[in-house]
Formats: sequence, structure tokens, C-alpha cells
Amino acid sequence: EIVLTQSPATLSLSPGEGATLSCRASQSVTTYLAWYQQKPGQAPRLLIYGASNRATGIPARFTGSGSGTDFTLTISSLEPEDFAVYYCQQRSNWPRTFGQGTKVEIK
Amino acid sequence: EVQLLESGGGLVQPGGSLRLSCEASGFTFSSYAMSWVRQAPGKGLEWVSSITGSDGRTFYADSVKGRFTISRDNSKNTVDLLMNSLRAEDTAVYYCAKLSNLWDNDGWGQGTLVTVSS
Repeated sequence: EIVLTQSPATLSLSPGEGATLSCRASQSVTTYLAWYQQKPGQAPRLLIYGASNRATGIPARFTGSGSGTDFTLTISSLEPEDFAVYYCQQRSNWPRTFGQGTKVEIK
Repeated sequence: EVQLLESGGGLVQPGGSLRLSCEASGFTFSSYAMSWVRQAPGKGLEWVSSITGSDGRTFYADSVKGRFTISRDNSKNTVDLLMNSLRAEDTAVYYCAKLSNLWDNDGWGQGTLVTVSS
């Protein structure tokens, strides 16, 4: 099973600041990695697929990068609606696995 | 617009069974794989099971293999999850998700809560 480790667990930032979230895989997933956003009481939403492709309707302030075992989700300037929990997920191997999540909270 | 509506959640005793159902609309259902993903209270996301679109190949997490069965009815646009031998650790919100052609979860239902407790 591929283990995804996200860091940090929590990011405390102010609106307008940039955010950098990390996801590290226990073995290479090439670029078969996605990022999801989840707000309290809501279902997750796909943000990034294929490590660096924004899903439909996702603003340009969200950027995914990386390949192999190290991936990054960057939010260039946080909007109030961006404060949420972010998960990475690999689709390289079965079973599919998620990271434990990074919470981006308002400072 | 992709719409996924889960049903069937509720309270069940340990060792009991429950069938979840997800009704899909807004896309050509038979062309896409579907998944179930769960989230225990206050915890992260856990993939549970997936099923391919046309040939119905199935995949399961080790934690549910042998207890859960995923199935689909392409004539009714539904995907089901039959859960047997339920345990307290199966307590979670269960989400139905549509998989894109690249096997990413690009559409999600609002979830249905399953509580396993005596």
C-alpha cells in the first residue's frame, strides 16, 4: 500500500497570504496524484488531477506540482473561501490511498 | 451537471448489514467507473471500493474485503454498496463518487451516515 504523508497538519495563515502544502508518497506514483478540498459539512471537491492540472472551474490561484514521490499544492493568495482541509490521493496503485489532510485555518 | 444522491444510511448493530445506494444523473452513467469513499467522524478520507463502468470489475480496500460488495445497475443509473458483518470502525459518512476517464473522483454526492452501535 502506498502511504501518502501530508505536511504540515495545520497551516495558520491570513487572507491574502500564500500557502504551500506538501504530499509525500512512500513510493513513486509518477504524476497519478490528485488534490481535493473539503469544507466543513461538505463533500470533497476535486482541485487538481495528474499532479498539475486544474479541474473544471478551479481558480488559477491553485497550482499543483511535483512528480514521483514529492508533490506540492500552492495557493497563491488565500481567499476567505479557501480555508478548508486539503487531501492528496494517489491513483497509481490499488488500494487507492489518501493523505491524512492539511487544514488551512485563519490566523 | 453531475448529481449523485446517496441513500440507505442509518443505525445498525455490530454484525448487522446495510445496503447503500447511489442514484446518478447528469452524465452517461455506464461510461464511468464509480467509487465509495468514507469518512469517520472527525477523521480523513478513506477509499472503500470502486467498480468499472461497462465490465463491472471491482476493487476493495483491505479493511472491507470479504464484507462489502459493490455493484451497479446501468439500466437504473445506480451503484450500491452492500455492507455485511459491520463493525464499530465502519461508522462513517459514506460518499458516492464518479470517477473521471483518468480515474480521479470528479463528482461527489453529499454522503450518507452509517452508524454501527449497539
